[in-house]
Amino acid sequence: DTGVSQDPRHKITKRGQNVTFRCDPISEHNRLYWYRQTLGQGPEFLTYFQNEAQLEKSRLLSDRFSAERPKGSFSTLEIQRTEQGDSAMYLCASSTTGTPNEQFFGPGTRLTVL
Amino acid sequence: GESVGLHLPTLSVQEGDNSIINCAYSNSASDYFIWYKQESGKGPQFIIDIRSNMDKRQGQRVTVLLNKTVKHLSLQIAATQPGDSAVYFCAEVPLGGTSYGKLTFGQGTILTVHP
Repeated sequence: DTGVSQDPRHKITKRGQNVTFRCDPISEHNRLYWYRQTLGQGPEFLTYFQNEAQLEKSRLLSDRFSAERPKGSFSTLEIQRTEQGDSAMYLCASSTTGTPNEQFFGPGTRLTVL
Repeated sequence: GESVGLHLPTLSVQEGDNSIINCAYSNSASDYFIWYKQESGKGPQFIIDIRSNMDKRQGQRVTVLLNKTVKHLSLQIAATQPGDSAVYFCAEVPLGGTSYGKLTFGQGTILTVHP
């Protein structure tokens, strides 16, 4: 399977704990995006990378959130001191630089904060 | 702020019928408009896109129409099948400025196809 993969698919944690999600983009894609989706809503942009450089962060991304893409391949999204409001589906997408209109999404990580 | 929205939250059709899903957008600066299909428990799946300088684009069983005068986007699915049942999102993306490559999604329309 050469699509975007995410791990884990589901994560249940207690409030206050830290969690980390991983995204592996399509191999030839140098752009990687993170989105968050709550029930009944469309995905909302969080941040994106051009190779290893994080180029933009949404105001939705509080200081408790951090994302990395150290080698320009896979990316991690960490949430520190999780809150119940962080419960959502976290989606990763990738594209080439020249075709950001063709973003391909992974299956997402469903986070539940108790 | 600028947003992309949908007129109808749900649509039920019979198998074999044609389906039309609508979307209103407000950001005239968007360069591409895109339709995604999302099945339960899965990530959005790219269906088709249309550049802002086009009025119509056809794919396999799908057609996207763009009316820039009234800022309206639609997705037509021909001969709808039960496997088409999903939530459909429209999205827009600019290819310039500070929002380059950032997708803005609408709320979604639930399509249910009855056999």
